[in-house]
Amino acid sequence: GAGVSQSPSNKVTEKGKDVELRCDPISGHTALYWYRQSLGQGLEFLIYFQGNSAPDKSGLPSDRFSAERTGGSVSTLTIQRTQQEDSAVYLCASSSRTEVGGEQYFGPGTRLTVT
Amino acid sequence: GDSVTQMEGPVTLSEEAFLTINCTYTATGYPSLFWYVQYPGEGLQLLLKATKADDKGSNKGFEATYRKETTSFHLEKGSVQVSDSAVYFCALTNQGGKLIFGQGTELSVKP
Repeated sequence: GAGVSQSPSNKVTEKGKDVELRCDPISGHTALYWYRQSLGQGLEFLIYFQGNSAPDKSGLPSDRFSAERTGGSVSTLTIQRTQQEDSAVYLCASSSRTEVGGEQYFGPGTRLTVT
Repeated sequence: GDSVTQMEGPVTLSEEAFLTINCTYTATGYPSLFWYVQYPGEGLQLLLKATKADDKGSNKGFEATYRKETTSFHLEKGSVQVSDSAVYFCALTNQGGKLIFGQGTELSVKP
């Protein structure tokens, strides 16, 4: 079946502009995660959704970052007033289980470059 | 808070050499432990996992044993191939399911 998909695959934006990144999880997966991969910080957790609610937003780096999930499926990560330090690959993952040990399936990522 | 530390790379080996990538963790409770792999130009894939102490995860000739007494989960393979060249990430999940990753270790295997 189809895996996790993300769009766009690449995004170049000017400093100060807003961007939206989209994630389509595997059908039926109730848990959805956003991570960020950057050279300086490695792989960092951003936010976790269970259904449409976000019980853990502890990794969002500032109030310029927000995310939502609708219909228990698609999720959008929004970054307002982008800064150069936001340049990174943004990864989405989904899982059918949330207990410890449940496997997360990752999408290919969106490479964001802020100029 | 919970954390994962893995050996820094890059690691360069000749084909058929023995591989060890060290990984240690700090966590409360009883985390699950994972190795993820990222091949060039591809996304993160789960390589293997272990959910409790003394469990051994294995896949594609790779193995790792969950050692609670040393808080370690070292990745090993007896004979690496050029196709194993990739970045390897050690990770854990505790309460809530979010993954906490190590910094990643780049492996380059030469023919």
